[in-house]
Amino acid sequence: EIVLTQSPATLSLSPGERATLSCRASQSVSSYLAWYQQKSGQVPRLLIYDASTRATGIPARFSGSGSGTDFTLTISSLEPEDFAVYYCQHRSNWPPTFGQGTKVEIK
Amino acid sequence: EVQLLESGGGLVQPGGSLRLSCTASGFTFSTSAMTWVRQATGKGLEWVSTISGGGGSTYYADSVKGRFTVSRDNSRNTLYLQMNSLRAEDTAIYYCAHGSGISMIVWDSWGQGTLVTVSS
Repeated sequence: EIVLTQSPATLSLSPGERATLSCRASQSVSSYLAWYQQKSGQVPRLLIYDASTRATGIPARFSGSGSGTDFTLTISSLEPEDFAVYYCQHRSNWPPTFGQGTKVEIK
Repeated sequence: EVQLLESGGGLVQPGGSLRLSCTASGFTFSTSAMTWVRQATGKGLEWVSTISGGGGSTYYADSVKGRFTVSRDNSRNTLYLQMNSLRAEDTAIYYCAHGSGISMIVWDSWGQGTLVTVSS
C-alpha cells in the first residue's frame, strides 16, 4: 500500500496569503494524484486530479504540481472560503489511499 | 445534476450487521463505477470499496475484506454495502462517491453520508 504523507499538518495563514501544501508518496504514483477540499461539516470536493488538472468549476487560484513522489497544492491568494482541510489521494494502484490531511486555518 | 443519497446507517452492536444503500440519479448509473469512502469523526478519509459499472469487479480495503460486500442493482440505480462482523473501528460516516469519467477511483460527486455507530 502506498502511504501519502502530507505536510504541514496545520497551516495558519491570513486571507490574501499564498498557501503551499505538500504531499509525499512512499513510492512513485506517476501523476495519478488528486486533491480534495473538505470544509467543516461538508462532504469532500474534488479540486485537482492527475496532479495538475483542475476539476470542473474550481477557481484558477488553486493549482497543483509534481510527479513521482512529491506533489504540491498551491492556493495563490486565500479567500475566506478556502479555510478547510485538504487531502491528497492517489489512484496509481489498488488500494487508493488518502493522506492524513492538512488543515488551513485563519491566522 | 448528479445526486447521491445514502441511507441505512444507525447504531449496531459489535459483531452485528448493517446494509447501507446509495440511490443515484443524474448520470448513467449502469456504466459507472461506484465507491464507498468512510470517515471516522474528526479523522481523515478512508477508501472502503469500489464496484465496476456492471458489478463484475469489486475491490476492498484490507480493513474490511471478508466482512463487507459491495453490490449494486442497476435496475434501481442503487449501490449497497453489506457490513457484517462490525467492529468499533468501523464507526464512521460512510459516503458513496462517483467519478464522472476521470477514473473509477477519482470522485467528483459525493453523497451527504450516513453515520454508522458500532457500540454496545
